[in-house]
Amino acid sequence: NAGVTQTPKFRILKIGQSMTLQCTQDMNHNYMYWYRQDPGMGLKLIYYSVGAGITDKGEVPNGYNVSRSTTEDFPLRLELAAPSQTSVYFCASSRPSADTQYFGPGTRLTVL
Amino acid sequence: GENVEQHPSTLSVQEGDSAVIKCTYSDSASNYFPWYKQELGKGPQLIIDIRSNVGEKKDQRIAVTLNKTAKHFSLHITETQPEDSAVYFCAASGIEKGGSEKLVFGKGMKLTVNP
Repeated sequence: NAGVTQTPKFRILKIGQSMTLQCTQDMNHNYMYWYRQDPGMGLKLIYYSVGAGITDKGEVPNGYNVSRSTTEDFPLRLELAAPSQTSVYFCASSRPSADTQYFGPGTRLTVL
Repeated sequence: GENVEQHPSTLSVQEGDSAVIKCTYSDSASNYFPWYKQELGKGPQLIIDIRSNVGEKKDQRIAVTLNKTAKHFSLHITETQPEDSAVYFCAASGIEKGGSEKLVFGKGMKLTVNP
């Protein structure tokens, strides 16, 4: 099992550009999450999904969009990148919502 | 919604000493409390968790205690080793406005174990 994989590992964007962060899990988990981690801070939930076709906003959803067409994939879309979106992004998955979450290795994004 | 406070934010110990990290939570309905370890450049990994029907859980050098009355839980690491150096996050399950249950994380504590 690969667990949770994320691509790319690193990315530099210019202000106003768009990109999609990819996340795939092979554990057949229904629940998937996107977090951002700013320096010296904890994890803030951006969006989450309880199953294919169902997504919902977390604590900091502005500037992001998600989709969940399959159980395995949960891409995060950044439209019109801003410097405030410079962060490390983690994808995670779990079975029931309050169960162990398995995290990917992260994507380090810089917006200049 | 749930709010999780974690302290201290940094801790430096000598190899072989014990380390304790404390967290408090606000939602008395929370019933799942995991601890994650994040090494530099990696994603957080679960190291131990506890549910509300248990007061203490131990796994080798790591133990977690839960006081539901006081709404706080702690991570204890004994006989610390340099490889224990990392950022540790506590979390608590919380019920959101729409009724869904999600984990809320503390801000993390950076532990440094000096050889």
